[in-house]
Amino acid sequence: DVKVTQSSRYLVKRTGEKVFLECVQDMDHENMFWYRQDPGLGLRLIYFSYDVKMKEKGDIPEGYSVSREKKERFSLILESASTNQTSMYLCASSLRGLGYGYTFGSGTRLTVV
Amino acid sequence: KNQVEQSPQSLIILEGKNCTLQCNYTVSPFSNLRWYKQDTGRGPVSLTIMTFSENTKSNGRYTATLDADTKQSSLHITASQLSDSASYICVVSAVDYKLSFGAGTTVTVRA
Repeated sequence: DVKVTQSSRYLVKRTGEKVFLECVQDMDHENMFWYRQDPGLGLRLIYFSYDVKMKEKGDIPEGYSVSREKKERFSLILESASTNQTSMYLCASSLRGLGYGYTFGSGTRLTVV
Repeated sequence: KNQVEQSPQSLIILEGKNCTLQCNYTVSPFSNLRWYKQDTGRGPVSLTIMTFSENTKSNGRYTATLDADTKQSSLHITASQLSDSASYICVVSAVDYKLSFGAGTTVTVRA
């Protein structure tokens, strides 16, 4: 089974802290994605990466950055956490192309206080 | 702008009953449509994926339909079980990597 593993299920951080969310996939997928999910808004794309060291902004990149130093790992960074970044964060990966094999991680519930 | 609209926003059904969820989309050019099930506090899990040429696809008690002409899809749950309580998300892919997500329908199955 394809596995997309997010390092933390729950995180509580203080306003202004730098936050790292880690995602690892074990199926040699080229594409990796970070989404946030908020009630009534569905999933919104923050950043994605189609190759090592490559990244592109999604629909809501403000306040976030990403890092992909290895193919299997995609990190989301909140440079200075704010309360409006309290959300469920979902990582996903897929094969190159039309997104077949799209698989989500279990999610990280981040609370910024 | 590519959009995916799901209805109803939520529904409650009795165990053993059937229900149907709707998804309308404006994504173009269309590549495929997926239905995901998301349990509370977990990531979405794929139920079905359909391309332009497919009208129906089943996965156990879940049956998805697609009408690419009217840009509508439905997900039918047969003989619901308590474990079907979840959010169901419709996701439409254009002919690139980008996905458009519906806001989801929350299904509650009561004994």
